[in-house]
Amino acid sequence: EVQLLESGGGLVQPGGSLRLSCEASGFTSSSFGMSWVRQAPGKGLEWLSSISNSGGSTYYADSVTGRFTISRDNSKNTLFLEMNNLRVEDTAVYYCAKDRSWYGSGSFLDSWGQGTLVTVS
Amino acid sequence: DIVLTQSPGTLSLFPGERATLSCRASQSLTRTSLAWYQQKPGRAPRLLIYGVSSRAAGISDRFSGSGSGTDFTLTINRLEAEDYAVYYCQQYGSSPLSFGGGTKVEIK
Repeated sequence: EVQLLESGGGLVQPGGSLRLSCEASGFTSSSFGMSWVRQAPGKGLEWLSSISNSGGSTYYADSVTGRFTISRDNSKNTLFLEMNNLRVEDTAVYYCAKDRSWYGSGSFLDSWGQGTLVTVS
Repeated sequence: DIVLTQSPGTLSLFPGERATLSCRASQSLTRTSLAWYQQKPGRAPRLLIYGVSSRAAGISDRFSGSGSGTDFTLTINRLEAEDYAVYYCQQYGSSPLSFGGGTKVEIK
């Protein structure tokens, strides 16, 4: 069974930084792209970033380009999201999700973690 | 960027009725690159449909997807209590990936 477990969320001041982690199990994570999606309180889903299976290709939404960095450590089956210069509007639940494809761009998301809450205030 | 517009915003239906949810894209999707997700309060989204009409593993055949070009539909037959949730469409054929704003299906 695929399991994705996010951690690292919390309360941070505007301008601060936070690093989210997502530990994957139940599948060969090095064979699949991975993504981060967030959901502001009471709002819809917003795709943020994706990464290819090897980590060699990364993709970002305009809203986070230059502030957020996606990376992965396949030896530890872990996905990361480094978030810098956080803004109040970055407050949301952050989900990691498994891509169906390997290339990290242009895939639907077939498994999701339970999410981790980031509050910028 | 492709914008997805979902309608209606809220759908109020009795159990046993059929739900028809719409997702309209601002540009034609070049491939069958549309997915649907279900989200219940306090839970993560769950994949229902991908490739416009393929059901994900373990998804009831009461859920079906259709459409092409810019207009797509999720149909839920014989609504059950567990189906009341918010549904999102997502396009993945063009970067950046994008989601629709969601349709809430509530009990009437």
